[in-house]
Amino acid sequence: DAGVTQSPTHLIKTRGQQVTLRCSPKSGHDTVSWYQQALGQGPQFIFQYYEEEERQRGNFPDRFSGHQFPNYSSELNVNALLLGDSALYLCASSLSDYGYTFGSGTRLTVV
Amino acid sequence: EDQVTQSPEALRLQEGESSSLNCSYTVSGLRGLFWYRQDPGKGPEFLFTLYSAGEEKEKERLKATLTKKESFLHITAPKPEDSATYLCAGFHGSSNTGKLIFGQGTTLQVKP
Repeated sequence: DAGVTQSPTHLIKTRGQQVTLRCSPKSGHDTVSWYQQALGQGPQFIFQYYEEEERQRGNFPDRFSGHQFPNYSSELNVNALLLGDSALYLCASSLSDYGYTFGSGTRLTVV
Repeated sequence: EDQVTQSPEALRLQEGESSSLNCSYTVSGLRGLFWYRQDPGKGPEFLFTLYSAGEEKEKERLKATLTKKESFLHITAPKPEDSATYLCAGFHGSSNTGKLIFGQGTTLQVKP
């Protein structure tokens, strides 16, 4: 049974560019959440998608946006990249309960 | 403000030397307290969920406990393969509109 799949695994972007990260949830899961983890810190909640809608959002600017597709997969988009956006971006899926499964993340480096 | 604080930030143990990791939380409407293990460059791996004060859960050399203000992860006779960062998180909200509030983690190194 495949777990949470994220792509790409690594990405290098230039300041000001835009990036799209992708997530396929664990089979049977319908809720997707995104987290940002800076080096040496715990993950911080960005937003959560359920039934193709953003249900809750953390303290992140509008440059961060997302989408959930009918097959429950999700995308995270970041516009106008800043150096401070460099981090490990984690996707977590769940099924209407608190059992979150995390992917291995996308390491984004902004130069 | 909801907050989760872990201590110590880093811990070095000799193989077989038992110890405990602390997680203090102030999360309004806490619906569960989670422990995860994270290896370098990987996503968090689920260990335990605790729901009420007094609850305890065990898995191999790990035991998690919960009080009204703190959670502890006890590591008994650790081995080098237990070296990792351990993350504590409080769950806030309902099933489809909730979020995990993480501490900064405790990085454990177990030397042979």
